[in-house]
Amino acid sequence: GENVEQHPSTLSVQEGDSAVIKCTYSDSASNYFPWYKQELGKRPQLIIDIRSNVGEKKDQRIAVTLNKTAKHFSLHITETQPEDSAVYFCAASEGGADGLTFGKGTHLIIQP
Amino acid sequence: DVKVTQSSRYLVKRTGEKVFLECVQDMDHENMFWYRQDPGLGLRLIYFSYDVKMKEKGDIPEGYSVSREKKERFSLILESASTNQTSMYLCATVSDEKLFFGSGTQLSVL
Repeated sequence: GENVEQHPSTLSVQEGDSAVIKCTYSDSASNYFPWYKQELGKRPQLIIDIRSNVGEKKDQRIAVTLNKTAKHFSLHITETQPEDSAVYFCAASEGGADGLTFGKGTHLIIQP
Repeated sequence: DVKVTQSSRYLVKRTGEKVFLECVQDMDHENMFWYRQDPGLGLRLIYFSYDVKMKEKGDIPEGYSVSREKKERFSLILESASTNQTSMYLCATVSDEKLFFGSGTQLSVL
């Protein structure tokens, strides 16, 4: 089955700086890669996703890049703000949202 | 908006009790999932269902069962709760090819 590795487990950045979270996956058949944000005490919420027919996708301050050859994908957050503090999860699947395997999460801390 | 409702936010049970965690979705979605979330381990799939009376094992089904008698309701059952089942349990459904979660049930087994 699919295995997703996520790094780092904790990331601390100064407010206004950029943050990058990286994930690798094992199954070359995987074609759907979403990212979830979970604020303290709340449910995980989808913030951005990418499918294997594109290499990059942006939505305001967040972007995701995908390298299918190397089997890794990354979340980029620019101009970080206090409300970006949360745990972020990457995931991968071959069959869309139905068969997601999640990474173990990254705790992003935005320092004022 | 996709609405996934988990009836209990917090539950405290004793070892050996039979525990039911309930999940209801209001959009006639077919696919429903139960995940378990533990610090440092991420989200792990316990069971899922693609239709009424249908169920499939996920990655960590041991010690759990599920019931789906109606399309909108998907129940997770702990036949005999153990302390290592203390965790956050998240129900989810798929809408527009995206996964949406309920607010979670924090279960403590004493």
